[in-house]
Amino acid sequence: GEDVEQSLFLSVREGDSSVINCTYTDSSSTYLYWYKQEPGAGLQLLTYIFSNMDMKQDQRLTVLLNKKDKHLSLRIADTQTGDSAIYFCAEIYNQGGKLIFGQGTELSVKP
Amino acid sequence: GAVVSQHPSRVICKSGTSVKIECRSLDFQATTMFWYRQFPKQSLMLMATSNEGSKATYEQGVEKDKFLINHASLTLSTLTVTSAHPEDSSFYICSAREIAQGTEAFFGQGTRLTVV
Repeated sequence: GEDVEQSLFLSVREGDSSVINCTYTDSSSTYLYWYKQEPGAGLQLLTYIFSNMDMKQDQRLTVLLNKKDKHLSLRIADTQTGDSAIYFCAEIYNQGGKLIFGQGTELSVKP
Repeated sequence: GAVVSQHPSRVICKSGTSVKIECRSLDFQATTMFWYRQFPKQSLMLMATSNEGSKATYEQGVEKDKFLINHASLTLSTLTVTSAHPEDSSFYICSAREIAQGTEAFFGQGTRLTVV
């Protein structure tokens, strides 16, 4: 079955880098996603990576994908207090279009 | 990115009544929309996949007679929670995929349903 796992909490100081990790089980996933959710709001797509890529960089965000270990990470450089939110990784399950989400990692940024 | 609009953002209803939630893709066409439910401090659980012009596909354990889904056009899907009870109180979020793109799923802002 499908399963995506994340650590639940991460606390960093403003200006530091944050690294949020995720593991998944469906090796046939073509795309893997990172979403951000602020309190009471929907999900904002941050970035996604195609499964034949190892890395993708988009401004302060760097996504690393290790297909062998089925491990995905999101690095946020120069983390700001406005980055405090819950971050979800997700994979497309069985290429059917539905997304399977991890539990979400709550990022707390302290000034 | 593409915009998905969900309405209402908050609704309070009495037990036994029905509530309809709308999900619209504003600047793209979506043959498929997805409905998720999120409990406090928890992840999103897929409830059903809504396909334009056909019946929705429900995930295991989701009552199709309780959560009615209609996807009448390429830009609109609705979720109706029928005979709502307090345990149906939750955060409901829809997402939609562009027909042509197929890579990104865009989410609505969510609907906070409270059944009293």
